[in-house]
Amino acid sequence: DIQMTQSPSSLSASVGDRVSITCRPSQDIAIYLNWYQQKPGRAPKLLILATSNLQSGVPSRFSGSGTGTDFTLTISSLQPEDVATYYCQHSYSAPPYTFGQGTKLEIK
Amino acid sequence: QVTLRESGPALVRPTQTLTLTCTFSGFSLNTDGMCVTWIRQPPGKALEWLALIDWDDERYYTPSLRTRLTISKDTSKSQVVLTLTNVDPVDTATYYCARGVGWERYDYWGLGTLVTVSS
Repeated sequence: DIQMTQSPSSLSASVGDRVSITCRPSQDIAIYLNWYQQKPGRAPKLLILATSNLQSGVPSRFSGSGTGTDFTLTISSLQPEDVATYYCQHSYSAPPYTFGQGTKLEIK
Repeated sequence: QVTLRESGPALVRPTQTLTLTCTFSGFSLNTDGMCVTWIRQPPGKALEWLALIDWDDERYYTPSLRTRLTISKDTSKSQVVLTLTNVDPVDTATYYCARGVGWERYDYWGLGTLVTVSS
């Protein structure tokens, strides 16, 4: 199994701040890293596929970068509606595709 | 319009078998590249990928639950069924099904169904 480690586990930032969340898989996964956003009481929503491919309708303030064993989700200017828990997930080779433990993002 | 809906019991006794059904519309599991996956989330905890069935009837499971999980499809009914045997209170979770475009792109999700395992 590929283990996914996210940091930090929680984060508090102000509106307008630049926010970054890191994900580190336990082995090289090339670019096969996805990011999901989950708001309280809701199903997860796919934000970014394969490191940096922003899904349709996702605001451009979200971006992803990285390769191998080091990936980052960045929100360039935090908005109140971005309050959520963010999960990384690998999609390297065949399933199973494990998730990270999540990063809870709050507004200061 | 793609929709998915999970259904099943809200309460299951320990050692019983949990059977969940994902009923979907707006796509076909006979179409190349289409998949349905099951993911669960214990209260207040992280997402856990459980199983996937694809257009070619290939099935994949998380190793930690491989001996207890079975995923199957009925394309005529547009349904995917997940069974989990010998449930335990640690299996208490919201269970989601999601459409996969390819094995990896989960673009539509159901609302989830909360299953509690308790005597």
